[in-house]
Amino acid sequence: AQSVTQPDIHITVSEGASLELRCNYSYGATPYLFWYVQSPGQGLQLLLKYFSGDTLVQGIKGFEAEFKRSQSSFNLRKPSVHWSDAAEYFCAVGARTASKLTFGTGTRLQVTL
Amino acid sequence: GAVVSQHPSWVICKSGTSVKIECRSLDFQATTMFWYRQFPKQSLMLMATSNEGSKATYEQGVEKDKFLINHASLTLSTLTVTSAHPEDSSFYICSARGGGPGTEAFFGQGTRLTVV
Repeated sequence: AQSVTQPDIHITVSEGASLELRCNYSYGATPYLFWYVQSPGQGLQLLLKYFSGDTLVQGIKGFEAEFKRSQSSFNLRKPSVHWSDAAEYFCAVGARTASKLTFGTGTRLQVTL
Repeated sequence: GAVVSQHPSWVICKSGTSVKIECRSLDFQATTMFWYRQFPKQSLMLMATSNEGSKATYEQGVEKDKFLINHASLTLSTLTVTSAHPEDSSFYICSARGGGPGTEAFFGQGTRLTVV
């Protein structure tokens, strides 16, 4: 069965500091991996996705993620966090079409000024 | 990207009544729609998959008679929570996929249901 683990429930960083959110997955086939961001009371916005090819994926809002097959990880990074990045971040694995996704439990990011 | 709209954004209903949530694809035809449920401070759990013109496929543990899903057109799917109870209070999110299996699914903004 497929699963996603986000070990960090809550992370606080200072504005301007770098960020890394961890994600580990378990998937029987070729994993298609996604990172979504959710602001309070809102739906999900796709930050980036990995299907194949270059293991370092660039997304929107300055985010990037690196796929490491040997570690079954897909960590999300940003060099310099902005206060507007405060939100809930979800890692997900599933089909290439982003349908029937299995989500992690999410990491809540707080940004201090 | 494609736009998926949910209505209402939030709803409060009395215990025992039914509530209908709409999910619309505004600029594409959604052959498949997915309904997720999110409990407070938890992740999203897939409830069911619906294909236009056919019965929805429910995930294990989801009550079909309680969560009625209709996907009667290529732009609209509805989720009806029947005889709602306080434990049904949750955030419900749909996603929609147009075209064949190679196309991407897009999420709506969600509906917060509170049953009092």
